[in-house]
Amino acid sequence: DSGVTQTPKHLITATGQRVTLRCSPRSGDLSVYWYQQSLDQGLQFLIQYYNGEERAKGNILERFSAQQFPDLHSELNLSSLELGDSALYFCASSAIHREITEAFFGQGTRLTVV
Amino acid sequence: DAKTTQPTSMDCAEGRAANLPCNHSTISGNEYVYWYRQIHSQGPQYIIHGLKNNETNEMASLIITEDRKSSTLILPHATLRDTAVYYCIVLQYGNKLVFGAGTILRVKS
Repeated sequence: DSGVTQTPKHLITATGQRVTLRCSPRSGDLSVYWYQQSLDQGLQFLIQYYNGEERAKGNILERFSAQQFPDLHSELNLSSLELGDSALYFCASSAIHREITEAFFGQGTRLTVV
Repeated sequence: DAKTTQPTSMDCAEGRAANLPCNHSTISGNEYVYWYRQIHSQGPQYIIHGLKNNETNEMASLIITEDRKSSTLILPHATLRDTAVYYCIVLQYGNKLVFGAGTILRVKS
């Protein structure tokens, strides 16, 4: 158990819909990362938040948005869903308040768009 | 962050040491070498990291060459549960993790 909790574990929705994925980081971790992994694809970095502020942005579509709340949990919002958005979405957290740190990943949310 | 090169796949016999190489010839002095693995469809798992010196923990050992241009992850006694994709990542402290294709390690009985 990494200590990072993602909900829901599975999500099935129709094209055009909007969904919200939730991530609770490890206790005390200030940084949250979101990744997308499509079938047979590598892990694609989407976005990083640090203590509520956006810190880095990757290949995140304009239809997607994220935020990190004061209690440090994060949500990834996916709208106008397309079939190609079907993927595993992972959240990770890390401390980054000490010199050397590592990221801990949740077990992911499997999104299926039909 | 410096790019890395890893073999596409490797096989290892159960109980033997698995040695996974990684080339990072453009690494700079303040970049760390990190290793993660992903067992099928699970979240990636941190294994080990290092800067200059060799490192060992309960999971693996990391050997970094003196010029830091390459490294080797060693799983001393591979088991079937070690079958996974192994990612070697070079990055500066605090930067985001960018995953490449990694090495598919197949441990066979």
